[in-house]
Amino acid sequence: AQSVSQHNHHVILSEAASLELGCNYSYGGTVNLFWYVQYPGQHLQLLLKYFSGDPLVKGIKGFEAEFIKSKFSFNLRKPSVQWSDTAEYFCAVIKMGGANNLFFGTGTRLTVIP
Amino acid sequence: SQTIHQWPATLVQPVGSPLSLECTVEGTSNPNLYWYRQAAGRGLQLLFYSVGIGQISSEVPQNLSASRPQDRQFILSSKKLLLSDSGFYLCAWSLDRGSGANVLTFGAGSRLTVL
Repeated sequence: AQSVSQHNHHVILSEAASLELGCNYSYGGTVNLFWYVQYPGQHLQLLLKYFSGDPLVKGIKGFEAEFIKSKFSFNLRKPSVQWSDTAEYFCAVIKMGGANNLFFGTGTRLTVIP
Repeated sequence: SQTIHQWPATLVQPVGSPLSLECTVEGTSNPNLYWYRQAAGRGLQLLFYSVGIGQISSEVPQNLSASRPQDRQFILSSKKLLLSDSGFYLCAWSLDRGSGANVLTFGAGSRLTVL
């Protein structure tokens, strides 16, 4: 079955620590990849996306993600987290040429301790 | 600019009662519209999507239905709620073509509790 895996359910970091959240998907073929973020009490919003080209994509607030096709991965990174990064992060994948179905991972809750 | 409105924000309903959640989008025409359910520890599950008025695709067979009576209005309904229908429901929209068709913008969500 097609799936998106986020292996880290809850990550706790101190401010200024580096962050890497894992995301793996199980589709073959061409995909579009996304990271969405949900800050406490706010809407789910787009953090960054990969469609094609440079596999290292930059998003808002200093986040970046790297698409490694051979590993079916799209890990999210930030060199130095801030307390305001506390949120839930969702990886999502859509298979090109298929139905309009954006598959989401189960989410990773990030808690940053000041 | 485009905005998406979803209501009610919170709803408590008895088992067996009907449901109607509404979603409207402003500032765009012929959007793709989506209903997702977010369950704790299970991510977001696509329930329905629509590419036009009266065009509904169901991804998961269940006790719910969706309708699109107008271009920018998407309604999630049930005739008789089950306990298992409790959850957080999110409406989303995207452009109808190009790469933007895959970028979703979400509403604030509706939390449904079935007792």
